[in-house]
Amino acid sequence: EVQLVESGGGLVKPGSSLKLSCVASGFTFSSYGMHWIRQAPKKGLEWIALIYYDSSNKYYADSVKGRFTISRDNSKNTLYLEMNSLRSEDTAMYYCAKNSNQGVDYWGQGVMVTVSS
Amino acid sequence: DIVLTQAPLSVSVTPGESASISCRSSKSLLSSKGITSLYWYLQRPGKSPQLLIYQMSNLASGVPDRFSSSGSETDFTLKISKVETEDVGVYYCGHRLEYPLTFGSGTKLEIK
Repeated sequence: EVQLVESGGGLVKPGSSLKLSCVASGFTFSSYGMHWIRQAPKKGLEWIALIYYDSSNKYYADSVKGRFTISRDNSKNTLYLEMNSLRSEDTAMYYCAKNSNQGVDYWGQGVMVTVSS
Repeated sequence: DIVLTQAPLSVSVTPGESASISCRSSKSLLSSKGITSLYWYLQRPGKSPQLLIYQMSNLASGVPDRFSSSGSETDFTLKISKVETEDVGVYYCGHRLEYPLTFGSGTKLEIK
């Protein structure tokens, strides 16, 4: 069974940093690209980043480019999202999600990030 | 960026009846490989999204065949036959043709 478990969220002040983690199990993590997708409270889905299976390519939404960094450690089956210069508009539930030929096929349960003074 | 426009915003359905949700793309979602890069997701209340349909018309694993999807290069329809109470939630269309991936704004399905 595919499982994606995010952690590292919390309440932080504007301008601060936070690093999210997502531990994967139930599939060969090193063979699949991975996404971070977020959802602001009562809002829709916003894709923010993708990393290839071997970290050879990374893509970002304009809203986070230059502030967020996606990375992975295939030896630990773990995906990361390092978030710097956080703004109030970054407040959201952050999901890690698995990429496949069938699209974004599995999502984690999400981790909440709140940016507020 | 590709804009996906969903309609209606919400739909209320009697159990056993059918529901249809529309998704229109600002750009053709037909890839150079001949794949239509349109996906449907369901987010049940308090849960994370789950994949329902991939590549416009293919049912994801474990999804009942009450769900079906069809369309052209820019206009798509998700149909839910014989709606059940477990179908309640917000339905999103999304694409994976290019980066950034984008999603429609969602359609909320409620039971009458």
